[in-house]
Amino acid sequence: KAGVTQTPRYLIKTRGQQVTLSCSPISGHRSVSWYQQTPGQGLQFLFEYFSETQRNKGNFPGRFSGRQFSNSRSEMNVSTLELGDSALYLCASSLYPLAVNYEQYFGPGTRLTVT
Amino acid sequence: GENVEQHPSTLSVQEGDSAVIKCTYSDSASNYFPWYKQELGKGPQLIIDIRSNVGEKKDQRIAVTLNKTAKHFSLHITETQPEDSAVYFCAASPQGAQKLVFGQGTRLTINP
Repeated sequence: KAGVTQTPRYLIKTRGQQVTLSCSPISGHRSVSWYQQTPGQGLQFLFEYFSETQRNKGNFPGRFSGRQFSNSRSEMNVSTLELGDSALYLCASSLYPLAVNYEQYFGPGTRLTVT
Repeated sequence: GENVEQHPSTLSVQEGDSAVIKCTYSDSASNYFPWYKQELGKGPQLIIDIRSNVGEKKDQRIAVTLNKTAKHFSLHITETQPEDSAVYFCAASPQGAQKLVFGQGTRLTINP
């Protein structure tokens, strides 16, 4: 069974631009969560989508948004990029919603650099 | 909200020795505690998890223990091998919280 895939793997953007990252979960998984990983803040929860609905959102500004499609694939968007948005963005998929506390499996991440 | 503290931040052990990483959590309602291993250039990989109704769980050379009273849980790796070198993260999830809260990570180095 294929794992979680994320595209692109690397991205360089300029301040003020916007970016869209994509995540394809493990086949059959309907929950997709997004995390931001930085050396200073560690792994921080962004949001979770299950059955095309956002279930929970972390403490991030409204510039961070996401959506999920009927095939469970998910995208996250960051508008008006800031230097501090440079990070590894990780997607994790799960069979059930996070509220059920089932196993989550992470993708390789997208490394975003904002200059 | 939940807060997870992880220690030590770095750990160096000789190949064949054991390694122990400890985490404490703040929310007594947390009931799910996974451990992840992250190698360079890769995403975190789930290696073992434990739920609050269990005190210990083993999987070959890896074990996790949970002390609900003290609100701490630990990862134990025995007979360490060079391929165990990585960053390890603990996490906790309060029931119904709909998210995982991660510790800051431990960089484990196995010296040959």
